[in-house]
Amino acid sequence: GDSVTQMEGPVTLSEEAFLTINCTYTATGYPSLFWYVQYPGEGLQLLLKATKADDKGSNKGFEATYRKETTSFHLEKGSVQVSDSAVYFCALSDKLNRGSTLGRLYFGRGTQLTVWP
Amino acid sequence: GAGVSQSPSNKVTEKGKDVELRCDPISGHTALYWYRQSLGQGLEFLIYFQGNSAPDKSGLPSDRFSAERTGGSVSTLTIQRTQQEDSAVYLCASSFPTGNMAPLHFGNGTRLTVT
Repeated sequence: GDSVTQMEGPVTLSEEAFLTINCTYTATGYPSLFWYVQYPGEGLQLLLKATKADDKGSNKGFEATYRKETTSFHLEKGSVQVSDSAVYFCALSDKLNRGSTLGRLYFGRGTQLTVWP
Repeated sequence: GAGVSQSPSNKVTEKGKDVELRCDPISGHTALYWYRQSLGQGLEFLIYFQGNSAPDKSGLPSDRFSAERTGGSVSTLTIQRTQQEDSAVYLCASSFPTGNMAPLHFGNGTRLTVT
């Protein structure tokens, strides 16, 4: 079945450090891939997405490239800020399974990121 | 409202009691989802509504769990005879039904604690 595995946290970084949060997936079809972020006290919100192999999603300085050959969608940012402190979730939605729920997402367990000034 | 609204934000209940959790989606969003987030776990899919019908109930963990949606808007998730393992944050999300790439808009969740 479909699943997502992401690196376990917590991740603690100093401001301006480089961030990588690893995410790999298993899917039976051709999934779309997402990163969602949950800031303290707020609901989950979409950070970025990629819908096919080699696509790069980007937003707020974050990037992730859909790598079919390694079934990965690692999240990166070149210089993190204190305001990036949040929980990050990798997710997938499988296109091929016609019986699948539209928009149903399979989430990873989340990675807590804390950035210190 | 501007976003997905869930109530109550926190609920503490005794084992064996029934609880109702409410979700008010974004106006115009016909797709509605319930997820559960347990401590240290990812988000677990519970049920999906398209309009008032629920084509996918496969994630409901037991027959103690049920959900309904009326008027294509507000949804209620009901847990009967609550157990301690039901303690979790219950998240509601809504979206336009534009295929599986439509972003989900999440509420802040209801934190349920069963004592």
